[in-house]
Amino acid sequence: AQSVTQPDIHITVSEGASLELRCNYSYGATPYLFWYVQSPGQGLQLLLKYFSGDTLVQGIKGFEAEFKRSQSSFNLRKPSVHWSDAAEYFCAVGAAAIGTASKLTFGTGTRLQVTL
Amino acid sequence: DSGVTQTPKHLITATGQRVTLRCSPRSGDLSVYWYQQSLDQGLQFLIHYYNGEERAKGNILERFSAQQFPDLHSELNLSSLELGDSALYFCASGVSDTQYFGPGTRLTVL
Repeated sequence: AQSVTQPDIHITVSEGASLELRCNYSYGATPYLFWYVQSPGQGLQLLLKYFSGDTLVQGIKGFEAEFKRSQSSFNLRKPSVHWSDAAEYFCAVGAAAIGTASKLTFGTGTRLQVTL
Repeated sequence: DSGVTQTPKHLITATGQRVTLRCSPRSGDLSVYWYQQSLDQGLQFLIHYYNGEERAKGNILERFSAQQFPDLHSELNLSSLELGDSALYFCASGVSDTQYFGPGTRLTVL
């Protein structure tokens, strides 16, 4: 069974500081990996995804993530955080499927607080 | 805006009642997924429909059911509601390997 661990429940960073959110996954084959962001009262917005190829993937809003198979990790990074980045971030894993995506298994989320 | 719409935005009802949540997928997407987000369970996959057919089931209670109609919109029916069913219910639609989420329906059971 697939699973995702986000070890940090809550992280606080200063505006302008760098950010790294951790994600570890468990999956028997090559996973499809995603990061989503949820602002208060909002739905989930896709930040970036990894299916194959280059292990460093770029997303929206200046975010990037690196897939490390040896560590079963897919950490999210941003070099300089803006106050508007304050939100909850979810890592998710999905299975490869023919024609359509399979279900996503989500981590418990990391709540990011940004101080000015 | 993901292009996925969900109605209603908020729903308040009483225990024992039945409600229907509606989802319209992005134009061209054949798949619809339902997820439940609650404080104690987190984000949990409920069910997946593809072009009108059920493709996969997750942790969906027998009191809950879903369907996808010929115009590809989907409905999630929740019956005999309990306090613990209070949650945010998300619909997602997708093509290929990526899912795009709607804004959710917040259900409160009193």
